[in-house]
Amino acid sequence: DTAVSQTPKYLVTQMGNDKSIKCEQNLGHDTMYWYKQDSKKFLKIMFSYNNKELIINETVPNRFSPKSPDKAHLNLHINSLELGDSAVYFCASSRDFSGGSTNEQFFGPGTRLTVL
Amino acid sequence: QQQVKQSPQSLIVQKGGISIINCAYENTAFDYFPWYQQFPGKGPALLIAIRPDVSEKKEGRFTISFNKSAKQFSLHIMDSQPGDSATYFCAASNTGGGADGLTFGKGTHLIIQP
Repeated sequence: DTAVSQTPKYLVTQMGNDKSIKCEQNLGHDTMYWYKQDSKKFLKIMFSYNNKELIINETVPNRFSPKSPDKAHLNLHINSLELGDSAVYFCASSRDFSGGSTNEQFFGPGTRLTVL
Repeated sequence: QQQVKQSPQSLIVQKGGISIINCAYENTAFDYFPWYQQFPGKGPALLIAIRPDVSEKKEGRFTISFNKSAKQFSLHIMDSQPGDSATYFCAASNTGGGADGLTFGKGTHLIIQP
């Protein structure tokens, strides 16, 4: 009955590799997000998807690409991994973002990515 | 450009005391201000949230105070307990601007001493 789930929880890989992180939500939400939390615990939005359409793309390297096969899933693909990509990545979801909504976001447990 | 500034960075409070964390924002388009609580190894979880049409919101021991003219808001934890020890993040978003993600403050590491 987990609301937002991510796999894997830990990911250790070498520089230059390509990896993916999967996210699934069973809340029936319309919008999903990816956040990056750095070593100082600073949380920053990377992407959001609404109805399979990319809404926000912050200043994130194009090595990062979100892929949404359906409304319940938003996967994060990372190409040519670099040392600076090491961080905890959180997936989140919220209901329709229409004006007046609370925009309450539910976060997954996170994926700790370590690039060696 | 840091759009949401949070202080203090860390805070130690005695059990039973009041914990106060402050945030200030710059973007006047923000209209939703949540506080998230994060325990080690876990994702952030919504604690309490407020919209700028009210100046205060209380849920149990947690209260948000909001000052629209000063563009500031704060979290008060009354009767702080050791179980409240966690990292707290203030955040803001513009709900009328599309699927806007949350802009977070840098977090406050709160320790409640027994």
